[in-house]
Amino acid sequence: DAKTTQPNSMESNEEEPVHLPCNHSTISGTDYIHWYRQLPSQGPEYVIHGLTSNVNNRMASLAIAEDRKSSTLILHRATLRDAAVYYCILRANYGGSQGNLIFGKGTKLSVKP
Amino acid sequence: NAGVTQTPKFRVLKTGQSMTLLCAQDMNHEYMYWYRQDPGMGLRLIHYSVGEGTTAKGEVPDGYNVSRLKKQNFLLGLESAAPSQTSVYFCASSSGGSGANVLTFGAGSRLTVL
Repeated sequence: DAKTTQPNSMESNEEEPVHLPCNHSTISGTDYIHWYRQLPSQGPEYVIHGLTSNVNNRMASLAIAEDRKSSTLILHRATLRDAAVYYCILRANYGGSQGNLIFGKGTKLSVKP
Repeated sequence: NAGVTQTPKFRVLKTGQSMTLLCAQDMNHEYMYWYRQDPGMGLRLIHYSVGEGTTAKGEVPDGYNVSRLKKQNFLLGLESAAPSQTSVYFCASSSGGSGANVLTFGAGSRLTVL
């Protein structure tokens, strides 16, 4: 299974942009890059995903390197509610077990007022 | 917009007791998953299902059984609970198994085995 590497923790100030990095040097050509976050005492929540092109939605932006070996989740203006553990996960573009999401420890984001 | 609903939210068991966790989704999703999360850890996949009547083992299946008799429900059973099964359990569902499909998670079920 292709693995991802994320910093254990990051800090940000409220209302400032946050860039959360993820390395995935062994990514295959058909792996999608998924980001989920988990707020304290809650279930994981989908944030964004992409394959090759950069993606934007109401929650965040995903910037994917040209060689796809790394990506960055961008929160444009952090709020206190964005304090969570952020997981970067590769999802194979197949059904069955190959498409299962394998969670690492993620990056714990702290947001200071 | 119920999404994925897990019951019960909390449960305390004694060693050796049995119980069943219920996961229900109202999104007509084909795929369903059971994960467990221990303190300070990421989620680990216990079992999953790719459609009604199917189940398969994940990363940590020992001590658990599952059933998917109806498309909308995925049950996780503990036949003889052990303290090592104290954890928070999360159910998730997805419309498909490809990389383009995303997972929707439930709020979790906290299980304590004494």
